[in-house]
Amino acid sequence: DAEITQSPRHKITETGRQVTLACHQTWNHNNMFWYRQDLGHGLRLIHYSYGVQDTNKGEVSDGYSVSRSNTEDLPLTLESAASSQTSVYFCASSGTGNQPQHFGDGTRLSIL
Amino acid sequence: DAKTTQPPSMDCAEGRAANLPCNHSTISGNEYVYWYRQIHSQGPQYIIHGLKNNETNEMASLIITEDRKSSTLILPHATLRDTAVYYCIVRGINTNAGKSTFGDGTTLTVKP
Repeated sequence: DAEITQSPRHKITETGRQVTLACHQTWNHNNMFWYRQDLGHGLRLIHYSYGVQDTNKGEVSDGYSVSRSNTEDLPLTLESAASSQTSVYFCASSGTGNQPQHFGDGTRLSIL
Repeated sequence: DAKTTQPPSMDCAEGRAANLPCNHSTISGNEYVYWYRQIHSQGPQYIIHGLKNNETNEMASLIITEDRKSSTLILPHATLRDTAVYYCIVRGINTNAGKSTFGDGTTLTVKP
C-alpha cells in the first residue's frame, strides 16, 4: 500500500544546529506540504510544493527551507534551530484536483 | 483565502449523532470543504470533503448549506473512539491546493 513516512519520529537537538526532517511518500503525489503543530493548537503551514523544483512559502516559513529534487521526497531544513521551533512537524501529500491530503505520523522535535 | 470558524469543544453521548458545525463565510466558488480529525498526537486523518452537494461515506455525512457559507459534519452513531479534534478547512485545487488554513478545530468528547 502507498504511504507517507516521516523520519525521525523524535529528535532532540541544540539551538544553532542545522536539522533536517525527512518526508517520503509513495503515492506519486505532486503536492507535498509541511506543517507544524504547537501544543494545543492547530496546524500551521510552513512550506509546500506542487512538483519537482517547485517550492512555496506558507504562513510560518521564516527559519525553514525545503527543496524538491524528486516526486517522492520533501525534506524540511531548519537552518539554525531555535527553541521557538520546538514543535510537532507533520508532512502531507495530495494528488491533483480535489484529492484530500494524506498525513504522516509526525516528527516530535525538541530544541534545547 | 477562506478561513473557518468552529466551536472549541462539544460533547456527545455514545450512540447518538454528533453534529459538528463549521462557518466559512468567505469561501470562494472553486474551494472545497474538507474535514479531518486528529486523535491524540497522530497525523490528521481525512474524513470527507465536498463542493456544494451533500456527501456521505462510510465514516460520516457532510451537509453544505446552499449559500456554501457553512457546513455540518455528521457522525451518525458516535462511539468513544470518535473522541478527537475535528478540523474543517477550505482549500482550492491544483495551484491553490496549498492555500489552506487549519484553525484550532473542535474537540469532540464522546461520553458513555
